[in-house]
Amino acid sequence: AQSVSQHNHHVILSEAASLELGCNYSYGGTVNLFWYVQYPGQHLQLLLKYFSGDPLVKGIKGFEAEFIKSKFSFNLRKPSVQWSDTAEYFCAVTLFSGGYNKLIFGAGTRLAVHP
Amino acid sequence: ETGVTQTPRHLVMGMTNKKSLKCEQHLGHNAMYWYKQSAKKPLELMFVYSLEERVENNSVPSRFSPECPNSSHLFLHLHTLQPEDSALYLCASSARQGPTDTQYFGPGTRLTVL
Repeated sequence: AQSVSQHNHHVILSEAASLELGCNYSYGGTVNLFWYVQYPGQHLQLLLKYFSGDPLVKGIKGFEAEFIKSKFSFNLRKPSVQWSDTAEYFCAVTLFSGGYNKLIFGAGTRLAVHP
Repeated sequence: ETGVTQTPRHLVMGMTNKKSLKCEQHLGHNAMYWYKQSAKKPLELMFVYSLEERVENNSVPSRFSPECPNSSHLFLHLHTLQPEDSALYLCASSARQGPTDTQYFGPGTRLTVL
């Protein structure tokens, strides 16, 4: 069965530090990959997505992610975090079947950024 | 962003109550989804409706009953719930664009079962 692993459940950083959140998936076929973010008290928002092409994907708010097929990974990065990046981050992979995409989520990583 | 709205935002109910959660999407999409977000567990897909037809029921207990009267509205009817059903229930929608389909989420309903 397809699954997504996010290795860090809690990450604490100071402002201006660099961020990398790990995401690994288990699925041998063609994958579409997503990172969603959930700010405190807000709804789940799309941060970035990868379907094909350049494996380095740029998203909103200075985030980027790199798809490494050989490692089954899609790690999220940001060179310099801000206090406003405090949120929970979810990696997801889609399984397309029956005419719709089934999203399979990782457990999430809670990021706390201290001023 | 008000593309997908959910009401109520918070709900407290007893185990013998019957209540309904409502979701409405304003994005012109034709697939809608219910997810459950529990503490310390990944988001779990519960139901999928595509063109108003239920296409996925992810082994959800019958005390949860979905309804999709049209492509813009999705309901989740609740009855005789258990305390372990307390969670954040998220609705999402998508345009059904094939493998590159992207789901957009509502703010969720925080459900507490006493």
